[in-house]
Amino acid sequence: AQSVTQLDSQVPVFEEAPVELRCNYSSSVSVYLFWYVQYPNQGLQLLLKYLSGSTLVESINGFEAEFNKSQTSFHLRKPSVHISDTAEYFCAVSEVTSGSRLTFGEGTQLTVNP
Amino acid sequence: DTGVSQNPRHKITKRGQNVTFRCDPISEHNRLYWYRQTLGQGPEFLTYFQNEAQLEKSRLLSDRFSAERPKGSFSTLEIQRTEQGDSAMYLCASSLRSGGAYEQYFGPGTRLTVT
Repeated sequence: AQSVTQLDSQVPVFEEAPVELRCNYSSSVSVYLFWYVQYPNQGLQLLLKYLSGSTLVESINGFEAEFNKSQTSFHLRKPSVHISDTAEYFCAVSEVTSGSRLTFGEGTQLTVNP
Repeated sequence: DTGVSQNPRHKITKRGQNVTFRCDPISEHNRLYWYRQTLGQGPEFLTYFQNEAQLEKSRLLSDRFSAERPKGSFSTLEIQRTEQGDSAMYLCASSLRSGGAYEQYFGPGTRLTVT
């Protein structure tokens, strides 16, 4: 079984400031790692994923996440946030062998203030 | 738009009534998943299908819940004798194997309120 812990339930930041949303996971098997974003009144959207290879993965809108196997972490970062980044962010894992269910963290509400 | 669609988007029902939700996946996706999300929580896995076969069910899926995917296309989730604790957002996702992983694409969800 896997579990995901998102260490901050709410992260308020000012526009153009850097941000880090923290995610730690626990699993007895190898996992794939994902970040999903949920804008108000919208469905979950895949932001970025780590499957294999380079431990640093990037999204098209400037977010990046780094897989750290020794620390079992997959923190999400952005060097300069925009008001439009205000949303709920969910970290999730799935087993490599089955690739079936996603196990989600409880989410981090990112609020970007002007 | 060929994304995952869910109907209805909102459902209000009285305790004890039965409800049914529908999910239409992305057309070429062979896997379909159901999750439940309550306020302030991340989504929790309920069940998933590969084509028409239901391959896994969570312990969260009590006897009052049943899901089907006839012909491996759309899926329905039925809740019998609804309880107030069933109030939640019910999310559907579909996926296709890509790069070794099944990337799941989510629909907008059906919000259920049980009064």
